[in-house]
Amino acid sequence: DTGVSQDPRHKITKRGQNVTFRCDPISEHNRLYWYRQTLGQGPEFLTYFQNEAQLEKSRLLSDRFSAERPKGSFSTLEIQRTEQGDSAMYLCASSSPGTLWANEQFFGPGTRLTVL
Amino acid sequence: AQSVTQLGSHVSVSEGALVLLRCNYSSSVPPYLFWYVQYPNQGLQLLLKYTSAATLVKGINGFEAEFKKSETSFHLTKPSAHMSDAAEYFCAVTPPRGYSTLTFGKGTMLLVSP
Repeated sequence: DTGVSQDPRHKITKRGQNVTFRCDPISEHNRLYWYRQTLGQGPEFLTYFQNEAQLEKSRLLSDRFSAERPKGSFSTLEIQRTEQGDSAMYLCASSSPGTLWANEQFFGPGTRLTVL
Repeated sequence: AQSVTQLGSHVSVSEGALVLLRCNYSSSVPPYLFWYVQYPNQGLQLLLKYTSAATLVKGINGFEAEFKKSETSFHLTKPSAHMSDAAEYFCAVTPPRGYSTLTFGKGTMLLVSP
């Protein structure tokens, strides 16, 4: 078990550029979550997948944001036409389908995005 | 809707002193509750969780928390602080059944002085 991994760990981009982040969950976990954490705040939910199906999206997820999990394994989060307000840590988490620990989420190290 | 309130954005203690980080929740049904720790530029690590079994929950690194339904609280404690405990701590809540997303508090930064 190598844990949840995210790539890249840091991304600096200019306003208006597109960026894409990748998350690899723990291998047997079928649920995958994306959260955003801004400075001085707790993580805020963005979207959630069960296998390849995107089941829930937060209203924080504007039209510029899109997430995919095409084969039910890794996921990507793309932000188009980045804005300075998108600067944040983007966290990925995964959880097991087991009933006892269904709500226990394991987090990756995050991708820190800086938009200049 | 659920919410979490963490009282105190910063808590300072001396090494060896008691650590108390406060968390109060709002939920229409008794939820599951979690405490996570975050070190600088890292993701979140689970400290402990309450999932409707014992109300006193023991976690890693000597931390524990007590679920008090009457007070809607889930405060985190540790008898003796270590320098390595300096980090940000987040309380989170989720509905008790099935999958769901976590709702986090704003976090409390724990500062430990020698």
